[in-house]
Amino acid sequence: AQSVTQLDSHVSVSEGTPVLLRCNYSSSYSPSLFWYVQHPNKGLQLLLKYTSAATLVKGINGFEAEFKKSETSFHLTKPSAHMSDAAEYFCVVSDLNNNAGNMLTFGGGTRLMVKP
Amino acid sequence: NAGVTQTPKFQVLKTGQSMTLQCAQDMNHEYMSWYRQDPGMGLRLIHYSVGAGITDQGEVPNGYNVSRSTTEDFPLRLLSAAPSQTSVYFCASSYRSGGFSGELFFGEGSRLTVL
Repeated sequence: AQSVTQLDSHVSVSEGTPVLLRCNYSSSYSPSLFWYVQHPNKGLQLLLKYTSAATLVKGINGFEAEFKKSETSFHLTKPSAHMSDAAEYFCVVSDLNNNAGNMLTFGGGTRLMVKP
Repeated sequence: NAGVTQTPKFQVLKTGQSMTLQCAQDMNHEYMSWYRQDPGMGLRLIHYSVGAGITDQGEVPNGYNVSRSTTEDFPLRLLSAAPSQTSVYFCASSYRSGGFSGELFFGEGSRLTVL
């Protein structure tokens, strides 16, 4: 079984300040982890993914996430927020060894607001 | 380069009516799926397909039907709409050959309201 918890449903930051979106997961195997971003009225887009290589993963638009097995966390960070970062972010856990196609579990989402 | 195309973008139904949400992809992806998005609940898998002629149930399949007659198309049918099916529906596809990468390509969504 697997699950993912996004600890904040809403995060508000000022433009130019750091972003931290928190994600904790539960998994009975070595998981793969993803962050997806959804801009208003759009579909989801892959931001970055961790698949058992380097624990610090860099994604698009300056975002990165660190896999910490001891803390079962995969928090998303960005050093300096931009107005265009305002969106909803989803943390996703997966067993990629299960090739059946039903292996992705989505967190509830975190809405990031960026103030000018 | 169209990617994943969903129609319609908006639909209002009355309880008991039926309808089909269309999904087409032009990337020759083997894997296609339907999710529903509800506030605070993330995305939940309704049905998925790993190739033409093969479909299976996800987490919340009740009240929905799918078929996969071609690689490109994966329609979702609501048999008798209920207010609990008011949601935003997303179609997503992916490569599967050589192992599932975990990267899904999403359509822009279909917003359904059932009165």
